[in-house]
Amino acid sequence: DTGVSQDPRHKITKRGQNVTFRCDPISEHNRLYWYRQTLGQGPEFLTYFQNEAQLEKSRLLSDRFSAERPKGSFSTLEIQRTEQGDSAMYLCASSSSGTAQETQYFGPGTRLLVL
Amino acid sequence: QKEVEQNSGPLSVPEGAIASLNCTYSDRGSQSFFWYRQYSGKSPELIMSIYSNGDKEDGRFTAQLNKASQYVSLLIRDSQPSDSATYLCAASYNFNKFYFGSGTKLNVKP
Repeated sequence: DTGVSQDPRHKITKRGQNVTFRCDPISEHNRLYWYRQTLGQGPEFLTYFQNEAQLEKSRLLSDRFSAERPKGSFSTLEIQRTEQGDSAMYLCASSSSGTAQETQYFGPGTRLLVL
Repeated sequence: QKEVEQNSGPLSVPEGAIASLNCTYSDRGSQSFFWYRQYSGKSPELIMSIYSNGDKEDGRFTAQLNKASQYVSLLIRDSQPSDSATYLCAASYNFNKFYFGSGTKLNVKP
C-alpha cells in the first residue's frame, strides 16, 4: 500500500472560483472520509462514503460543497464559488470496515487559500 | 457545546515523566474512541483506539475510557521529546462520522 494520496497539495484561488480536490484512498479501503481543518482546531467532519455511496454529510456543509466517489475508489471534493472562509486544510482519510481497529489513515491534505 | 472537548494546553512535562491527556464527549451514543497524534504541518496518525470501559495499554501508551462519566484519557509514560505534538481525541457512533476535539498540545522538555 502506498498510503492515501491527495492532489493537489496546495491550491491558491480567487474568491468566487471553483476548486476540485482529489483523494486516492488505500486500495481496497471501502470507507472514505473528507475533513476540513483550520489552524488550532481538530479535523471537522465533512462527508463519508462507503464504497460509492455517500452515507453521511455534515449539516455544516453548504450547498457549495459536493463530493463524489463514482466507482468506489478515488473521490473528489468540489467547492463552488469559493469564499475566504473556505481557506483551510482539506484532509481525506480511508479505512476498511470489518477490520479489528477500523483504523483511519489520513492523506497529506490539500491546503486551500482563497484570496 | 462541542461534541468532543479537550484542554488546548500547552501541557509541558519533563522528559521521562508521565503525560496525562484528557477528553470529554457529549454524545452518550458514541461507542468508539480514538487518540491521534498530529505533528505540526502533518496529518493525524492513530495512536490508540478504545471501545470498552477500562484501560488499554500499548507500549508506553495507555488509553482509559469511562462511559458513565463520558471521559477518555491518554497516558504517555516515559515521555520523550519526540512525543511533542498535538494530541487529538475523536469519538464515533458507528464509524460513519467522527467528531474530533480541538487537540491538546504537548511539549516534552529535554
